[in-house]
Amino acid sequence: AQRVTQPEKLLSVFKGAPVELKCNYSYSGSPELFWYVQYSRQRLQLLLRHISRESIKGFTADLNKGETSFHLKKPFAQEEDSAMYYCALSGSTGFQKLVFGTGTRLLVSP
Amino acid sequence: DTEVTQTPKHLVMGMTNKKSLKCEQHMGHRAMYWYKQKAKKPPELMFVYSYEKLSINESVPSRFSPECPNSSLLNLHLHALQPEDSALYLCASSPARAGETQYFGPGTRLLVL
Repeated sequence: AQRVTQPEKLLSVFKGAPVELKCNYSYSGSPELFWYVQYSRQRLQLLLRHISRESIKGFTADLNKGETSFHLKKPFAQEEDSAMYYCALSGSTGFQKLVFGTGTRLLVSP
Repeated sequence: DTEVTQTPKHLVMGMTNKKSLKCEQHMGHRAMYWYKQKAKKPPELMFVYSYEKLSINESVPSRFSPECPNSSLLNLHLHALQPEDSALYLCASSPARAGETQYFGPGTRLLVL
């Protein structure tokens, strides 16, 4: 069964501090992992996905198959990073069912 | 056009009403989705359409009836809803291949009285 775990409901940091949002997954196959972000009063949007290996808005995430993790990191948090972050998983074959974690609210204070 | 649009933005309905939510995309995506999102919770998948055919129904009650009239449009027909159905209803689209990014609309906020 597909499962995504985000252990922190809320992560509160000061501006300029490093940030790590944790995501662990369970999937009996080769997964596709995503981070979606939902800013206040805005639509849910893709932040990054593991196969692109891009850095978006200073965020990076590395897929660790041994630890079944896909943690999101940023070395220096900005106030505009405050938002709800969802880790999500889908299979690499078959129909595209996207399973979301419970989300982590990131609050960056000045 | 690289966005998914949804109408209406807000909807208030009684338990005996019939209403419809609409979703449109012009990105050439052949997979479209309905999600339900309760406050402070992640989106929960309801339905998936692939090439205008229903491919996934996540055991959704029959008072929710999806329809995909063509490759750009997705509807969700609502009838005899319950107050607990009040939520944000999100539409998304993607290429019809496994592992593709889904693009979300802004949602319709539904209140059932």
